[in-house]
Amino acid sequence: NAGVTQTPKFQVLKTGQSMTLQCAQDMNHNSMYWYRQDPGMGLRLIYYSASEGTTDKGEVPNGYNVSRLNKREFSLRLESAAPSQTSVYFCASSDLADTLAKNIQYFGAGTRLSVL
Amino acid sequence: DAKTTQPPSMDCAEGRAANLPCNHSTISGNEYVYWYRQIHSQGPQYIIHGLKNNETNEMASLIITEDRKSSTLILPHATLRDTAVYYCIVSPLSGGYNKLIFGAGTRLAVHP
Repeated sequence: NAGVTQTPKFQVLKTGQSMTLQCAQDMNHNSMYWYRQDPGMGLRLIYYSASEGTTDKGEVPNGYNVSRLNKREFSLRLESAAPSQTSVYFCASSDLADTLAKNIQYFGAGTRLSVL
Repeated sequence: DAKTTQPPSMDCAEGRAANLPCNHSTISGNEYVYWYRQIHSQGPQYIIHGLKNNETNEMASLIITEDRKSSTLILPHATLRDTAVYYCIVSPLSGGYNKLIFGAGTRLAVHP
């Protein structure tokens, strides 16, 4: 039972390089999320996808794009990485269709990204 | 737009109960209280949630005051593996997506 799987676990980029963070969940959840966490701080939502085929901005979307490839996969792309995007990135999923469980999010192990 | 207030840090001896407080004095009638924790370098983990009744599961107990303005997460027999940052979050169940605000949380240190 893998839950939420993120790849890669670690990445170092040079300023201006691009990369895509991958996320997949096997819980048949309809909703997926991307957060970033800077040292000593809480999580901030970058983008979310309430259901397959939809995406919406969170509180810090600038510099990122997302793709909800199918129900299982939700990717986060940095087109031109900047040092300010050095952070730990977490993907999460939940079942928004289940009223009692909609706010229970399951998180991946994170991707640690350094932009030099 | 933080809706909860938690102490920045707490200590607890291994085997003793850890009682983590949370103030949510502006909570709305349709908002639930959620607790998550984040063990170092890992993704957050859901613990428990409740509306107004006390709740218990295999991980913890949640005590919500009658006026719902505060709550306490109780880890009955804390172990070293419970050392983590604990987040108290309020969010409604109604409607579609509702943002979960992960603030600074409480850093719980369990010591031998």
